[in-house]
Amino acid sequence: DARVTQTPRHKVTEMGQEVTMRCQPILGHNTVFWYRQTMMQGLELLAYFRNRAPLDDSGMPKDRFSAEMPDATLATLKIQPSEPRDSAVYFCASGMGYEQYFGPGTRLTVT
Amino acid sequence: QKEVEQDPGPLSVPEGAIVSLNCTYSNSAFQYFMWYRQYSRKGPELLMYTYSSGNKEDGRFTAQVDKSSKYISLFIRDSQPSDSATYLCAMISSRDYKLSFGAGTTVTVRA
Repeated sequence: DARVTQTPRHKVTEMGQEVTMRCQPILGHNTVFWYRQTMMQGLELLAYFRNRAPLDDSGMPKDRFSAEMPDATLATLKIQPSEPRDSAVYFCASGMGYEQYFGPGTRLTVT
Repeated sequence: QKEVEQDPGPLSVPEGAIVSLNCTYSNSAFQYFMWYRQYSRKGPELLMYTYSSGNKEDGRFTAQVDKSSKYISLFIRDSQPSDSATYLCAMISSRDYKLSFGAGTTVTVRA
């Protein structure tokens, strides 16, 4: 049963620290998405890749967030420096065409 | 105004009732329409998807799309306590495969 995996599942850090979240997409999927979910804003698209090329990162605060896909099996989302307002659940999803399959998420708390 | 508006809920129904969930949208370019189910502290799970107008049935679930009214619905028949979750509608344009989500409706099915 192929699944998207994300690490870590939970992260608590202090304001100003760097946070790196990792995602392993489902093998063979050519699109990878990063989302953020909060109670106030719901699910927001931060960035996405197709065939490892970044296509859209307009949803990300550019000064502190960066997303990369160093190879087909790994996508990363970094926040540097982190702020309390970044506290949220971050989801990675992968897909082929219009179907997207979500990972379990990384629950980030910035104090 | 958001591209996708979803009835906010929450909904609480007795076991066996029919659950009706609705979304409206404003972007005429949306062609694929999805419903995701999200259990507490889990990632969204693709439940059903439809292309263009019409109905699609899968077991106890029926998805309806009316493109002329820009309105989609999900019906759950013979609801079970295990259906208790947040349901998110999502839509996608074939131009960029970016999902636009509704805010979600939390459903509780009482045993």
